[in-house]
Amino acid sequence: SAVISQKPSRDICQRGTSLTIQCQVDSQVTMMFWYRQQPGQSLTLIATANQGSEATYESGFVIDKFPISRPNLTFSTLTVSNMSPEDSSIYLCSVERGAGTEAFFGQGTRLTVV
Amino acid sequence: KQEVTQIPAALSVPEGENLVLNCSFTDSAIYNLQWFRQDPGKGLTSLLLIQSSQREQTSGRLNASLDKSSGRSTLYIAASQPGDSATYLCAVKITGGGNKLTFGTGTQLKVEL
Repeated sequence: SAVISQKPSRDICQRGTSLTIQCQVDSQVTMMFWYRQQPGQSLTLIATANQGSEATYESGFVIDKFPISRPNLTFSTLTVSNMSPEDSSIYLCSVERGAGTEAFFGQGTRLTVV
Repeated sequence: KQEVTQIPAALSVPEGENLVLNCSFTDSAIYNLQWFRQDPGKGLTSLLLIQSSQREQTSGRLNASLDKSSGRSTLYIAASQPGDSATYLCAVKITGGGNKLTFGTGTQLKVEL
């Protein structure tokens, strides 16, 4: 298994501001991902966080809106930039130790934009 | 494009009942399938992972089966308890689709005393 610490657990933010979410894993992992869960919806992959290089974004998500860093094999951040109420969601960090292995998730960050 | 559907969307059962949750997927070329539970406002807890070469996996009162040819998986919960109340999600990873998990819409389970 993997123990994932995600911070903050929740936040209420003003529109137009930015929030950075941190994801810390208890040991090195090959793959780290960021997902979004909009109210009443299932999870959608935002991007794969690549260690030492630019993240790989899914269709509909762009780096300017969701910049991601991954400086090492245990840590990643997701920034939600220039927020609007439509960004109100739960954001979740996920890790896998290797391709095709079990995925583990953090407890999520509940973001409300007012 | 892989689509994942879960039926029913919601289910309420009395404590002690055995139950089955269903997951259907449109692209049978999957790498693996994983079942999760999600408590309200929380992250996901992994329950079972089934690789494409496997037919089923068991953990305690949970048993998950996989039938790739029909595009189906079921999660069987034996002797349900109030603590089993949560939303259950299935997610598939397709072969050659990178490492993206495609999630179903979930089944919201309530186990009543």
